[in-house]
Amino acid sequence: QLQLQESGPGLLKPSQTLSLTCTVSDDSISSGTFYWGWVRQPPEKGLEWLGSITYSGNTYYNPSLESRLTISADTSRNQFSLSLISVTAADTAIYYCARLGGYTRGLFDSWGQGTLVTVSS
Amino acid sequence: EIVLTQSPATLSLSPGERATLSCRASQSVSTSYLAWYQQKPGQAPRLLIYGASTRATAIPDRFSGRGSATDFTLTINSLEPEDFAIYYCQQYDSSPWTFGHGTKVEIK
Repeated sequence: QLQLQESGPGLLKPSQTLSLTCTVSDDSISSGTFYWGWVRQPPEKGLEWLGSITYSGNTYYNPSLESRLTISADTSRNQFSLSLISVTAADTAIYYCARLGGYTRGLFDSWGQGTLVTVSS
Repeated sequence: EIVLTQSPATLSLSPGERATLSCRASQSVSTSYLAWYQQKPGQAPRLLIYGASTRATAIPDRFSGRGSATDFTLTINSLEPEDFAIYYCQQYDSSPWTFGHGTKVEIK
């Protein structure tokens, strides 16, 4: 059964870089059928798609974060990662990794459990 | 980007009642690339409905979706205790993929 697991530091100071990794089990991120992406959810708020990476390494970002965000993949480890520079308190959120399917590869059909990231001085 | 507006923000109902949730898009969602997710406290969202009306794997048939273009509805027939949660709609027609702000279905 497909599993996605986020990992990374839970506490950052303003201006630091947030780095998270998603480890995928029971599916290959390079299989070509799905994309892989990140969604975040500030406390008590809604969901925001951050960006996605394709099986061939192409990336797509939400314009609201594109200048600060990089998504990459390590196919040998079956992992993909998020790097968000210059974080502020507004980046405090639960970060989820997810598999994206559907014709447009924009449908979130499986999710990790999420990891809380807090930005505070 | 396509903005999704969900209503009502909160729905207070009793077990056994029917829930009707609305999702309105700021522009037409072509080919009905509209999904619904359920989120319970402390959990990740779970895909319920895609293509506006197709239930995802293992989703009970008391959940149904309908709609097209800019108006979509999620109906939950005969609410079970485990159905009290927050429901989000999401469009995957046009990037950036966007979500509504959610409807909370709470026990009356």
